[in-house]
Amino acid sequence: GQQLNQSPQSMFIQEGEDVSMNCTSSSIFNTWLWYKQDPGEGPVLLIALYKAGELTSNGRLTAQFGITRKDSFLNISASIPSDVGIYFCAGQPFTQFYFGTGTSLTVIP
Amino acid sequence: DAMVIQNPRYQVTQFGKPVTLSCSQTLNHNVMYWYQQKSSQAPKLLFHYYDKDFNNEADTPDNFQSRRPNTSFCFLDIRSPGLGDAAMYLCATSRESGTGGPNNEQFFGPGTRLTVL
Repeated sequence: GQQLNQSPQSMFIQEGEDVSMNCTSSSIFNTWLWYKQDPGEGPVLLIALYKAGELTSNGRLTAQFGITRKDSFLNISASIPSDVGIYFCAGQPFTQFYFGTGTSLTVIP
Repeated sequence: DAMVIQNPRYQVTQFGKPVTLSCSQTLNHNVMYWYQQKSSQAPKLLFHYYDKDFNNEADTPDNFQSRRPNTSFCFLDIRSPGLGDAAMYLCATSRESGTGGPNNEQFFGPGTRLTVL
């Protein structure tokens, strides 16, 4: 199956700091999705990207679809305690979505 | 609000005792998916339905079966649960599959945490 490398694996940051994470693929994707998952809950869709180079924001979150179509980036500005959770990227080459391994974010008040 | 609902949220079963997990959706989406997620891992697709058409992933064990009696409901049957089947089971839906764009976005339910004793 497709390999999606997501980094970093975990982050510990101070409240108010900005966060960056990314996903890379060995194949070209047509769609990138970013999800947040709280403990014991299902993933919640944050941002969807459909075109190479696309930059999309959702509040303090900004995501970009890489020009090569093999990567995507998620930035969170001015982190707050409720940003804690696991962030997953998901990429779609054709029909199936493949998920990254997740980035665990801890925000220290 | 339109949503994906999973019941129960927590399920305990015994080794080898069949168990059924359920998912329902009010989004009227064509596609329903079942994922297995083990601790600290990414969700792994087991199978999906496009309407009534069943699509099994090649590496999904035969121990896992699914039924979709109508648009709104989908069931995951584990015929003989083993200890290795303990996981979070996630149901997701999308309006379409493979067409690109917003219709492919997947929306997840809250999951069912399965414990096998």
